[in-house]
Amino acid sequence: EAGVTQFPSHSVIEKGQTVTLRCDPISGHDNLYWYRRVMGKEIKFLLHFVKESKQDESGMPNNRFLAERTGGTYSTLKVQPAELEDSGVYFCASKESGASGANVLTFGAGSRLTVL
Amino acid sequence: GQNIDQPTEMTATEGAIVQINCTYQTSGFNGLFWYQQHAGEAPTFLSYNVLDGLEEKGRFSSFLSRSKGYSYLLLKELQMKDSASYLCAGDSGGYNKLIFGAGTRLAVHP
Repeated sequence: EAGVTQFPSHSVIEKGQTVTLRCDPISGHDNLYWYRRVMGKEIKFLLHFVKESKQDESGMPNNRFLAERTGGTYSTLKVQPAELEDSGVYFCASKESGASGANVLTFGAGSRLTVL
Repeated sequence: GQNIDQPTEMTATEGAIVQINCTYQTSGFNGLFWYQQHAGEAPTFLSYNVLDGLEEKGRFSSFLSRSKGYSYLLLKELQMKDSASYLCAGDSGGYNKLIFGAGTRLAVHP
C-alpha cells in the first residue's frame, strides 16, 4: 500500500510569492489533515477534511492560507502571499473512517517551505 | 488550555532501557499517541493509549495515567536505529486533532 505522499519535498521562495503544496493521501482514506512545524516549535494542527468538506479549519493561521480537496482525493495547500514566518515543514496525514480502533494517522514525510 | 510537555533531549546506551515521559493538560482528551520521527522522514505511529495502564508492543511499551495527566514511552534493548525524535500527542476531541509536544530527541550510543 502506498503511503501518504507530499510534493514538493522542499520549496524555496521569496517573500510575497505563492506556493502550492500537494498531498496525496492513502487511497480510500476519507480523512485528510494538514499540520505544520515551524522552526523549533511543535507540530501544530492546521485543518481536517472529511472527503471534500472542511471538518475543522480552526488551526489555519490567516487568510493567506487556502486548502482545498476537490473530489475528496488529493489536497492542496496554497500560501499566497508567503511571509517569512510561514517557513517550516508542512505535514499531511490521512486516516480511514470507521471504528475508533482505526484511530491512527499516517503521516507523509512533509514539504519543507523556506521563505526568503 | 492545551499543553504537552516532554524532555528536549535524552541519551542512552545501546542495549539499555530508556523511559521518555510526557505530561499533558488538554481539554476534551480522547487518548494519547506516541510517534517516532527520524530526521527528514514522516512521523510513524508507535502507540495509542486511551485507557489507564500499560500497552506493550515488542520492544516498545506505553503507559497512561489519565488522573495524573501523565504518559511514558519505554524502549527496551535499545538499538542504534532507535536514535530519533519521539513525539507525544494528545487527541483533543476525538477527531485526531492532535496536540503535539515539541518532541524528545533520543541519541543511542554504542
